Amino acid sequence: GAVVSQHPSRVICKSGTSVKIECRSLDFQATTMFWYRQFPKKSLMLMATSNEGSKATYEQGVEKDKFLINHASLTLSTLTVTSAHPEDSSFYICSAARGTVNSPLHFGNGTRLTVT
Amino acid sequence: QKEVEQNSGPLSVPEGAIASLNCTYSDRGSQSFFWYRQYSGKSPELIMSIYSNGDKEDGRFTAQLNKASQYVSLLIRDSQPSDSATYLCAVTGNQFYFGTGTSLTVIP
Repeated sequence: GAVVSQHPSRVICKSGTSVKIECRSLDFQATTMFWYRQFPKKSLMLMATSNEGSKATYEQGVEKDKFLINHASLTLSTLTVTSAHPEDSSFYICSAARGTVNSPLHFGNGTRLTVT
Repeated sequence: QKEVEQNSGPLSVPEGAIASLNCTYSDRGSQSFFWYRQYSGKSPELIMSIYSNGDKEDGRFTAQLNKASQYVSLLIRDSQPSDSATYLCAVTGNQFYFGTGTSLTVIP
């Protein structure tokens, strides 16, 4: 099946620093990848849609200057949390679909970010 | 109205019983329907896909789709403690929509 790899799985950083999270599709090309955020015991929240070769589309309320997304190739999208603060601590998950819009999403293993 | 609605639970069933999880959606044009399982602290994992009306079985799991009623369900037979997780219903229309998930606990 389709495999999406996400790295790192866990990161602890100090307030004010930036953190980059990578998402790779290992066995298929993904023109679109999706970034989600999830707080403990809460539902998935779509943050942005990452489009290969063009700007990401951000959901309402998500700061594009804080959550920088780069989708430079068909297999790699990155999310950079800039000037991180404790309230950015969360579980970040990327996903991608192989094929058409009706194909299932496959998720990376997620990144647990803790900002101290 | 939310695009996809699920009862948040928690749903508790004894080991060996059938767990029934339900989901309704609002967009009649939706074409693809998925069930994901999410263990605590982990990312969602695809367990079932269904595209046409009726039942689809895969091992202990059966997905049921009724497009006329805009209803999709997941049955888990012979529930095991390892099935304890949150189950997310997902529907595609012009984009991917997730329900908020139903928490299932299987009691040994």
